[in-house]
Amino acid sequence: DTEVTQTPKHLVMGMTNKKSLKCEQHMGHRAMYWYKQKAKKPPELMFVYSYEKLSINESVPSRFSPECPNSSLLNLHLHALQPEDSALYLCASSQGGLAGVNNEQFFGPGTRLTVL
Amino acid sequence: GQSLEQPSEVTAVEGAIVQINCTYQTSGFYGLSWYQQHDGGAPTFLSYNALDGLEETGRFSSFLSRSDSYGYLLLQELQMKDSASYFCAAPTGGFKTIFGAGTRLFVKA
Repeated sequence: DTEVTQTPKHLVMGMTNKKSLKCEQHMGHRAMYWYKQKAKKPPELMFVYSYEKLSINESVPSRFSPECPNSSLLNLHLHALQPEDSALYLCASSQGGLAGVNNEQFFGPGTRLTVL
Repeated sequence: GQSLEQPSEVTAVEGAIVQINCTYQTSGFYGLSWYQQHDGGAPTFLSYNALDGLEETGRFSSFLSRSDSYGYLLLQELQMKDSASYFCAAPTGGFKTIFGAGTRLFVKA
């Protein structure tokens, strides 16, 4: 299984709602990522989990809260979002991030989030 | 700072060859990756060059010159389905990868 799955595919939420995005991989990868991507822009790193521990937080606002329940699952909890948070949220995984080693990332199809 | 520069758009005709260039400035350089992303889709990995030279994978090839801080992706026998965005990317060590702004490739019939 070389696939990263994400649910839901689309999400519309109000600024007072709480929702969660889910990501799953069964490739035995030890690093998992959340990216935010705006139209016609590159993916922008938000969080990295390595061996189920938060390794990188790119100064993301606290209204985004990541969680890694186990080595195969990654969640992103959303609360009190703003309209400018509307974007494609991509999950990715990789074997690891050793320096000098190809850190090929496998991306999920993304969740298209609209905040009203 | 760390940055990767690539052209914003490239247009080519079906059956032709196109080259997408990427120049980089990174404090620590390990190699150069390329990703393809169709509209509405997810980025998919194409290639990775850790060493100087040309790597070929089917119709796609990727080149790296460390001395020139430069690489390119070469697409041969272009097909309509190759119309997509192409990102060069550089792993920075650890788990972070820096992406270029992306090149939109338009393939015309």
